[in-house]
Amino acid sequence: AQSVAQPEDQVNVAEGNPLTVKCTYSVSGNPYLFWYVQYPNRGLQFLLKYITGDNLVKGSYGFEAEFNKSQTSFHLKKPSALVSDSALYFCAVRPDNNDMRFGAGTRLTVKP
Amino acid sequence: GAVVSQHPSWVICKSGTSVKIECRSLDFQATTMFWYRQFPKQSLMLMATSNEGSKATYEQGVEKDKFLINHASLTLSTLTVTSAHPEDSSFYICSAPPTGAGYTFGSGTRLTVV
Repeated sequence: AQSVAQPEDQVNVAEGNPLTVKCTYSVSGNPYLFWYVQYPNRGLQFLLKYITGDNLVKGSYGFEAEFNKSQTSFHLKKPSALVSDSALYFCAVRPDNNDMRFGAGTRLTVKP
Repeated sequence: GAVVSQHPSWVICKSGTSVKIECRSLDFQATTMFWYRQFPKQSLMLMATSNEGSKATYEQGVEKDKFLINHASLTLSTLTVTSAHPEDSSFYICSAPPTGAGYTFGSGTRLTVV
């Protein structure tokens, strides 16, 4: 079955510290992988995607993610968290059949 | 870049009435539109896929007679929640695949049924 998992419901970090939001996937073939962020009562905003090429993908707002095929992971990272990064983060995978699947979401809270 | 415009951004309606949500692709043609529903603190759930010129495909468990989807043109897809009830209150989001591998999302509609 095509699926994506975000093992942590909540991630708390202090401002200025590095952050990691985890994502693992299970798909057949070569997946397209995405990270989105959602602020309260807003639609999803695209952060970054992995299609092919360099395993380290850099995206918006200083975020990056590393594609690890052997571990089937696509963790989202940022070297120095900001309070304004506090939001709900979704990992998504698009298998070959064109239908995107989302993880359950991880609530990131950055404390001053 | 590709933009999907979704309206309204929020709506409050009385129980038993119907509500229409529109998604328009502004600078590209969307032959396909995905409709998602999000419950509080939960992930998006795909409800249905609309295709221009043909019937929508609904996910298992989604009532097609309650959630009417119409893809009238290459730039417009609509979701109508018929005979809305409080349990239909949710955040609804559409998305379209533009050219390339990415997806473009609407800004979402917060529906509250009272």
